[in-house]
Order: sequence, then structure tokens, then C-alpha cells
Amino acid sequence: QVQLQESGPGLVKPSETLSLTCTVSGGSISPNYWSWIRQPPGKGLEWIGYIYSSGSTNYNPSLKSRVTISVDTSKNQFSVKLSSVTAADTAVYYCARLVGGFLVIWGQGTMVTVSS
Amino acid sequence: EIVLSQSPGTLSLSPGERATLSCRASQSVSSSYLAWYQQKPGQAPRLLIYGASSRATGIPDRFSGSGSGTDFTLTISRLETEDFAVYYCQEYGSSPVLTFGGGTRVEIK
Repeated sequence: QVQLQESGPGLVKPSETLSLTCTVSGGSISPNYWSWIRQPPGKGLEWIGYIYSSGSTNYNPSLKSRVTISVDTSKNQFSVKLSSVTAADTAVYYCARLVGGFLVIWGQGTMVTVSS
Repeated sequence: EIVLSQSPGTLSLSPGERATLSCRASQSVSSSYLAWYQQKPGQAPRLLIYGASSRATGIPDRFSGSGSGTDFTLTISRLETEDFAVYYCQEYGSSPVLTFGGGTRVEIK
């Protein structure tokens, strides 16, 4: 049974870069698509982007200038970096496995607060 | 860019009642790429329906999806207490990007 676990700092200062990693266990990261999604407190879901295990990516146009998703197949991990963060980037960040356009397995999520 | 509008925003029903949730797209969507998720407080979303009408693994048959074009529906035939949650529709477009609706909260009346 594939499981996903997000990890990374829970607090990031404004203007800095948010960095999170998702560790895939119970299965191989290849060959699959993986995605990041976020949810501000009390609000809905926002797709951030996805990556194929070979490294090809696709991002939400609204975040494209600030986001980078990468994969490390040797560690069975993929990561997201979001630069120049503001309070509006405060959210629960989820990683998920993407199959056929659908998010079939989700991590439990990790809360990231942007504050000085 | 496709916009998904979910209605109603909140649905107040009693256990045993039927719930009908709507997801309307700003332009035609391929049924193959329309999904529904359930999210309970403090939990990650869970895939319920994909391809507009196919239930994901382990999803009870009281959940059903239907629709085509711009109008899609999630129906819960008889609400159980564990079904009170927020439901999101999601579309995978040709761009290709993923888009979520704003969600419908199903609460106990």
C-alpha cells in the first residue's frame, strides 16, 4: 500500500522560499505522476503542480513564476519549492499521486505558516 | 481556463436523506476527467468518483456520480453520519491543469 508523507519547516519568513518534501513508501516513485496541492485555512483546494518521475513538470499558471517541483528517484521523494512567499501562501500543503488526472492517494498534509 | 462552480455552498440534511450536489463548468468538460473528493475536518481529501461516474476503490455504492458537458452531479442516496463532510469536484483539463470547485459542505440538519 503506497503511502505519502510530507515533511519540512512549519514556519517560513515572508520573502523566503518554502521547501517541502514528500516521501513515497510502499511502492516505487517510478513510473508515476506526483502532485502538490494546498489549502489555506478554512478555504478550498488549490493545485500547485505535478511532476512525472522522469522529471517533466506542469504548474498552475498562477504560481508558475514562483514554484519548482523536483524528484529524487534514488530517495523515492519529490519536493516543492515556492519562492518569495507571503502570508497568502499560508496553507496546509498536500502531496498526492496523480493517475489519469485524478489524485488517488494523498499524504496527511503539513501546515506551513508564513510569518516573521 | 475552466472554472468549476459548486452548489449549494452548504446542504443541511438529516441522516437517511438523499443528497444531491452540483458541479457546473464554465465550458464543456470531458467526462473522463471529472472527479469528486470528500474531505472531513483535519483530514486529507479522499477520491470518491473519477471519470464522472466510476467509484474509487472502497467507496460505498450509496455514492454515485453522473453528468456530462458542463453539468455534473454527485448523489449520496442515503446519508450516513460519516458522510457529513465537504465535497469537491475537480477537472483535469487539456492545458493540462487541475482545477477544483469551491466545495459543498454537507452538514447535519
